[in-house]
Amino acid sequence: ETGVTQSPTHLIKTRGQQVTLRCSSQSGHNTVSWYQQALGQGPQFIFQYYREEENGRGNFPPRFSGLQFPNYSSELNVNALELDDSALYLCASSKPGPNQPQHFGDGTRLSIL
Amino acid sequence: EDKVVQSPLSLVVHEGDTVTLNCSYEVTNFRSLLWYKQEKKAPTFLFMLTSSGIEKKSGRLSSILDKKELSSILNITATQTGDSAIYLCAVEGNTGNQFYFGTGTSLTVIP
Repeated sequence: ETGVTQSPTHLIKTRGQQVTLRCSSQSGHNTVSWYQQALGQGPQFIFQYYREEENGRGNFPPRFSGLQFPNYSSELNVNALELDDSALYLCASSKPGPNQPQHFGDGTRLSIL
Repeated sequence: EDKVVQSPLSLVVHEGDTVTLNCSYEVTNFRSLLWYKQEKKAPTFLFMLTSSGIEKKSGRLSSILDKKELSSILNITATQTGDSAIYLCAVEGNTGNQFYFGTGTSLTVIP
């Protein structure tokens, strides 16, 4: 069984730039969620995708956007990067429906200079 | 505002000790509570507790959900250095299909 994979592992950008992070879900999982984890904090929910549609969103501005593809993989796009966007971005996949545990990838460490 | 609070924030124990980690929550339309272990990168799933499954056990780890008190505990007996990690508690509500995470408890087990 293939787990959740994310790319790239690390990324350095400057303020104002745009970034795309990628995630492949675990086999058999068709729901993907994205989280931002700042240093010393718990993961903060950005949004969830199911059947290629956004299926819930946390308290993040519109410059955080996403996509899900027919093979259930997903992208997180962040425009107009700010210093506070520096964080570990985690992708988690799960089977659809309530009471399904989310399984996480190793994340992408994004640093904004 | 939905929130999850974990305590203590950090804990240092000796190998062989028993520890209890706490999680309390205020989440609209509670569905489930999950515990994760995060060492370097990916949080690793430990347990899911729901209204129909309020107690789980796996080896030296066990967890109980108290729906009346809106809280959960994670117990680790006979701790080992490999248990050193951040333990995260997450609660699923049905508003926006999202999971709310606490800030975690950092556990350090010294030989």
